[in-house]
Amino acid sequence: DVKVTQSSRYLVKRTGEKVFLECVQDMDHENMFWYRQDPGLGLRLIYFSYDVKMKEKGDIPEGYSVSREKKERFSLILESASTNQTSMYLCASEALYNEQFFGPGTRLTVL
Amino acid sequence: DAKTTQPPSMDCAEGRAANLPCNHSTISGNEYVYWYRQIHSQGPQYIIHGLKNNETNEMASLIITEDRKSSTLILPHATLRDTAVYYCIVRAGGSQGNLIFGKGTKLSVKP
Repeated sequence: DVKVTQSSRYLVKRTGEKVFLECVQDMDHENMFWYRQDPGLGLRLIYFSYDVKMKEKGDIPEGYSVSREKKERFSLILESASTNQTSMYLCASEALYNEQFFGPGTRLTVL
Repeated sequence: DAKTTQPPSMDCAEGRAANLPCNHSTISGNEYVYWYRQIHSQGPQYIIHGLKNNETNEMASLIITEDRKSSTLILPHATLRDTAVYYCIVRAGGSQGNLIFGKGTKLSVKP
């Protein structure tokens, strides 16, 4: 079974803090994604990566950056957290036929 | 643009088959049909996908009409744990980028 893990289920941070969200997959997938999910807005793509050290902007990259130093690990970084970044963050890893496997999500609250 | 149409909600009795319809009348020849579900407060879960043949796995069966304009996801013996929002997505095989989740169908399995 594909396993995608995220570093935290719940996280509370203060405005202005730098926040790291980690995602690890164990299936040697090339492609990995970061989404955020908000009520009424569905899933929105922040960044994705098709290979180590490679990244592409999604639909809402502002305020975020990513890092992919190893194939299995894709990190999302909030450089200076703001209250409008309070959300559920979902990482996904993509298999051969474009099936995406999601982690359990991190519910981030920025105070 | 919405490429799929699903009923907003459905009920199913526990132990019965749940049949979830999806209309994708503008599907292209190279587009697959994917089904995901999301249980409250969890990440989306991949269920199954297909191109034109019917597919079955340990979770569900996918029936695609001969003209490929619609499909049905079948959960053969629904349990209370199958209560979730079910999403039908069409996407070209080998394409890059994010999944676009619509509003899906809220399935409620009742005892």
